Amino acid sequence: QVQLQESGPGLLKPSQTLSLTCAVSGGSISSGNYFWTWIRQHPVKGLEWIGYIYSSGHTYYNPSLKSRLIISVNTSSNQFSLSLSSLTAADTAVYYCAREEPSTRTFDSWGQGTLITVSS
Amino acid sequence: DIQMTQSPSSLSASVGDRVTITCRASQGIRNDLGWYQQKSGKAPKRLISAASSLQTGVPSRFSGSGSGTEFTLTISSLQPEDFATYYCLQHNSYPYTFGQGTKLEIK
Repeated sequence: QVQLQESGPGLLKPSQTLSLTCAVSGGSISSGNYFWTWIRQHPVKGLEWIGYIYSSGHTYYNPSLKSRLIISVNTSSNQFSLSLSSLTAADTAVYYCAREEPSTRTFDSWGQGTLITVSS
Repeated sequence: DIQMTQSPSSLSASVGDRVTITCRASQGIRNDLGWYQQKSGKAPKRLISAASSLQTGVPSRFSGSGSGTEFTLTISSLQPEDFATYYCLQHNSYPYTFGQGTKLEIK
């Protein structure tokens, strides 16, 4: 049973850059053709798909975030990461990492989520 | 982006009731839709894929139907553990988009 665990700073100031890491255990990030994904949940706006990375390094980003977003993978450490720059209060959310199963195109495993607050 | 509209946004029901939640897509998405359950403070949990395929371990009282632009999630006989928020998610085209959620509360 694969497990995902997010880690991040918790509190950031406007204009700073958010860096999150998702550690994957119980399976290799390089196997199974999964899409390793970031999703966030705003207090009011709800759930938002951020983007994914494949183990090869191929990415796809939500166009609304593309100019500020980088998702990367470290297969040797079995983890993937998110970098989101030029933060504003609108980026305050719970950030989840998740695994998309290619056969069903649904998210079969999720991290527990980490709250990121952007405030001066 | 494809807009997903869920209704109702909240619903009060009793144990044993049959409830239906609807999700409408702003354009046709075939059956490229999943349903998720989220309990307070937890990550969403996958219930259904391809609009109607129940995932392993999900009780058979849950069912999904629909294709194109209109989809439903039905719980045939509510159990205490079913009180949660439910979301639809389309994966027909990027960016994937979620419905705004339906909060199911105990009457």
